[in-house]
Amino acid sequence: EAGVTQSPTHLIKTRGQQATLRCSPISGHTSVYWYQQALGLGLQFLLWYDEGEERNRGNFPPRFSGRQFPNYSSELNVNALELEDSALYLCASIRWNQGGYTFGSGTRLTVV
Amino acid sequence: AQKITQTQPGMFVQEKEAVTLDCTYDTSDPSYGLFWYKQPSSGEMIFLIYQGSYDQQNATEGRYSLNFQKARKSANLVISASQLGDSAMYFCAMRELINQAGTALIFGKGTTLSVSS
Repeated sequence: EAGVTQSPTHLIKTRGQQATLRCSPISGHTSVYWYQQALGLGLQFLLWYDEGEERNRGNFPPRFSGRQFPNYSSELNVNALELEDSALYLCASIRWNQGGYTFGSGTRLTVV
Repeated sequence: AQKITQTQPGMFVQEKEAVTLDCTYDTSDPSYGLFWYKQPSSGEMIFLIYQGSYDQQNATEGRYSLNFQKARKSANLVISASQLGDSAMYFCAMRELINQAGTALIFGKGTTLSVSS
């Protein structure tokens, strides 16, 4: 079974630009979670999607947004990038409210 | 208030020794799950072990065991016979009900484990 895949692996953007990160969950997993891990910090919950709907979001400004497609893959968009958005962005998927959370390898976003 | 507390920023151990990584949690939900993940320098999060709040026995997975003390709200990870490849960041996490629709994982700040030969 293929794991959670994230693309791109690395992304370099200029302050003020927009970044788009992608996540493909494990087949059969309907829920996708996004986390931000800034350097030296733990994982902060960003967004949760299930069945195409945003179910909850963490304490992040509205310029962090995303969507989930009919095939359950997900996209995270970060608008008006700021230097402090530089972080590792991790995506995780689970079957609806069951089982463990499987993480992808992450996208390392650098804002210059 | 922090929901997951990992008080050890860094731990050092020699190969073949056992090591305990501490984790305490705070929740009023009677049903919860506790997880440990390993994060090598590559960044991926590797699931290690899970303990449900109603599980009577401590969870074990190979060299990993979870010392679950419910009354003390602690869920320490024990790694037996450490190996050089165990050097990584270790995160304790709790699955928490975040609204009526479902749950999310809340993470501690992590502990860096360094294993030396």
